[in-house]
Amino acid sequence: GAVVSQHPSRVICKSGTSVKIECRSLDFQATTMFWYRQFPKQSLMLMATSNEGSKATYEQGVEKDKFLINHASLTLSTLTVTSAHPEDSSFYICSASDGLNTEAFFGQGTRLTVV
Amino acid sequence: TQLLEQSPQFLSIQEGENLTVYCNSSSVFSSLQWYRQEPGEGPVLLVTVVTGGEVKKLKRLTFQFGDARKDSSLHITAAQPGDTGLYLCAGGTGDYKLSFGAGTTVTVRA
Repeated sequence: GAVVSQHPSRVICKSGTSVKIECRSLDFQATTMFWYRQFPKQSLMLMATSNEGSKATYEQGVEKDKFLINHASLTLSTLTVTSAHPEDSSFYICSASDGLNTEAFFGQGTRLTVV
Repeated sequence: TQLLEQSPQFLSIQEGENLTVYCNSSSVFSSLQWYRQEPGEGPVLLVTVVTGGEVKKLKRLTFQFGDARKDSSLHITAAQPGDTGLYLCAGGTGDYKLSFGAGTTVTVRA
């Protein structure tokens, strides 16, 4: 299957700082990337959908100014958590689709801890 | 509310036993995927089913898509400790956006 790489895998940051998470498709061009958030022992909740070269579409209840998404190229999307607070601590996962197949492939996830 | 209802939420069985996980919805999906996720990692795709009534087998795993494309099941035969993990079903609506079930935590005891 296609490879999606997410970086970093773990990050600890102080309250009030911003953190950037990268999601790269390594062997295919990702026309669409998705960002999810997952709380312990729970399922994945879609935060936003990003299409290359256009603004991201955010799900209801997700603050676009807090979770900045940039999809500047067909192989890279970034999620920046701005002015992070402890309640933003979570597991963030991206997935990518090439727009041709039904499957989307997931990154390894990023464990964010805000102290 | 979850678009896809997954049951049971937790399942703990002895090695060698069989298990079935169910995924139900009132909505029709163009495709349905099953993933397995281990702690601290992203979900790994197990299978995609797209045709109503479709049955796919992957070694000891059997996946079935309902005739109406609203429900699916995952059956594991002779479970092994390596099958332990969080199993997630996800429905696709044709725009590559996935709706996930709540997940089933499977524990296989040696």
